[in-house]
Amino acid sequence: DTGVSQNPRHKITKRGQNVTFRCDPISEHNRLYWYRQTLGQGPEFLTYFQNEAQLEKSRLLSDRFSAERPKGSFSTLEIQRTEQGDSAMYLCASSLEQGATEAFFGQGTRLTVV
Amino acid sequence: AQSVTQPDIHITVSEGASLELRCNYSYGATPYLFWYVQSPGQGLQLLLKYFSGDTLVQGIKGFEAEFKRSQSSFNLRKPSVHWSDAAEYFCAVGASGGSYIPTFGRGTSLIVHP
Repeated sequence: DTGVSQNPRHKITKRGQNVTFRCDPISEHNRLYWYRQTLGQGPEFLTYFQNEAQLEKSRLLSDRFSAERPKGSFSTLEIQRTEQGDSAMYLCASSLEQGATEAFFGQGTRLTVV
Repeated sequence: AQSVTQPDIHITVSEGASLELRCNYSYGATPYLFWYVQSPGQGLQLLLKYFSGDTLVQGIKGFEAEFKRSQSSFNLRKPSVHWSDAAEYFCAVGASGGSYIPTFGRGTSLIVHP
């Protein structure tokens, strides 16, 4: 296993279009997190899953944002009707269940909305 | 709710000089604490972590950090900085109980002069 994988690495889209990002976590990790990072800021938590259950989604930025993890393995993050303010790096991380464990991050998807 | 403060936005040091990056956290119980490093356009790499036990923890690339409960701090140190250490450094706190969602500071940008 080579770690957390995110695709695509870069995405340029026109305002108003929908975009979907994929995250493949480390295989034995049952927790998966999505973060957003804007320039000069730290990662901002969006949502997380334990297996296929989405346990926290109140921090998603608007109802245009949604995430799924249908079989408890890979996850997708969708942004509908993109706006220029959605331009950011979207980071995925995975970890074992809560406890003394750390999160491992993917390289992120850079979204540019033009 | 947990939070992290990194008071220094930028730190400039000369190559070979010592380094200390500050981190203060807010959390009601014993926290899990992390330092991550991010190179431009990349994801986050874990430098070191504190869960319990010895308050001085060693990490990769010659970094260490000390947990001081009385000061709610977890400062990162390195005795001799290399030019390749130039990057963005993020401190993070994870709750030892509850939902355990890693929360990040805004980061400190390290600039290394030759």
